[in-house]
Amino acid sequence: AQKITQTQPGMFVQEKEAVTLDCTYDTSDQSYGLFWYKQPSSGEMIFLIYQGSYDEQNATEGRYSLNFQKARKSANLVISASQLGDSAMYFCAMREGGPFQLNTNAGKSTFGDGTTLTVKP
Amino acid sequence: DAMVIQNPRYQVTQFGKPVTLSCSQTLNHNVMYWYQQKSSQAPKLLFHYYDKDFNNEADTPDNFQSRRPNTSFCFLDIRSPGLGDAAMYLCATSRERTGGGLNEQFFGPGTRLTVL
Repeated sequence: AQKITQTQPGMFVQEKEAVTLDCTYDTSDQSYGLFWYKQPSSGEMIFLIYQGSYDEQNATEGRYSLNFQKARKSANLVISASQLGDSAMYFCAMREGGPFQLNTNAGKSTFGDGTTLTVKP
Repeated sequence: DAMVIQNPRYQVTQFGKPVTLSCSQTLNHNVMYWYQQKSSQAPKLLFHYYDKDFNNEADTPDNFQSRRPNTSFCFLDIRSPGLGDAAMYLCATSRERTGGGLNEQFFGPGTRLTVL
């Protein structure tokens, strides 16, 4: 069964500094994808970054990068140069690979409990 | 811009009074999902449609139903809302291929449901 663990309920960071949000996962599949989403107080879930289990390089998207350590089953999100607008809840999610199949977990996302990030001015 | 739209953004209903939440998408994605999210918790998948095929999560109460009349629209019906059903309801879409793949989900802004 899939499981995602985010151990930091809340994090604080000073504006312009970097911050790392932790995510560990558990799966028996060899093929899977890891996603990070941002959820501001308005409620919308915004896709940030994706890492495939077979990707050899860590994913980067602008100020976001994913520190992927496959052996440790961790996929930490690094936000560089934090901005006040980064204050939000951040969710790590995982999807197992393979065909999307009804009545199975294939294709479904499992979300962690989230980390609330507060950026201080 | 292609997007996922949810109406209304805020819905107030009375205990036991049926309510319908709507979701539409212009992305032409073949999969649509409904999630329930309570305060400071992870989204919980209620069900999803893969094209016209409906997949209900095992622990989704019978009180929750869904309809997808066409590719663009999906509805969440709560037949008899209870106080415990007050939550944010998120609609999401993704494009899935029969050969598999790991595409991200695109979420709508959510509908915040209050039950009085």
